[in-house]
Amino acid sequence: GEDVEQSLFLSVREGDSSVINCTYTDSSSTYLYWYKQEPGAGLQLLTYIFSNMDMKQDQRLTVLLNKKDKHLSLRIADTQTGDSAIYFCAEIPYSGAGSYQLTFGKGTKLSVIP
Amino acid sequence: DTGVSQDPRHKITKRGQNVTFRCDPISEHNRLYWYRQTLGQGPEFLTYFQNEAQLEKSRLLSDRFSAERPKGSFSTLEIQRTEQGDSAMYLCASRDRGDAGELFFGEGSRLTVL
Repeated sequence: GEDVEQSLFLSVREGDSSVINCTYTDSSSTYLYWYKQEPGAGLQLLTYIFSNMDMKQDQRLTVLLNKKDKHLSLRIADTQTGDSAIYFCAEIPYSGAGSYQLTFGKGTKLSVIP
Repeated sequence: DTGVSQDPRHKITKRGQNVTFRCDPISEHNRLYWYRQTLGQGPEFLTYFQNEAQLEKSRLLSDRFSAERPKGSFSTLEIQRTEQGDSAMYLCASRDRGDAGELFFGEGSRLTVL
């Protein structure tokens, strides 16, 4: 079955760059997503990338996609304490049912040290 | 507020009782999803509606779970004869037509079964 893997923890100093990595298994995935979840809150979409792209930049966020290796990364430049949260990578695996439901990784907890 | 809203935000119940959660999606969204998130895990897909039709159900959705979306607007998720293993955050999400694109999540309904 489909599986999305992420490292569980990342700790960085304020002002440094953070890089969160993700691997996925379904080569037919069309879109790949990064969501952010703060404590006690729902999921907030940060960005998504279409599978025919290899990079997408949005202000402090840069997404890199290596489709050959099925590897996705999220780089946060100039990391701030407000970026402390859990970051989820997600894909839409092909299910044939047309639901386009997301499959999530377990999340990477980013801790920003002041 | 025009986001996805869920009610109640928190529910504590005794084992064996029935509980019902409600989700109001963004008004023009015809696709609605329920996910479950347990501690330390990413959200897991439960079920999907397109308008009022329930088109896909995960194997996680046991016979004790039932979801409806009677008029294609709000949805309810009922859990009968709750068990301690049902304790989780139940997340609702909605999105507009099309192949993929942004999935908007609600803040979730946290269930604790004693």
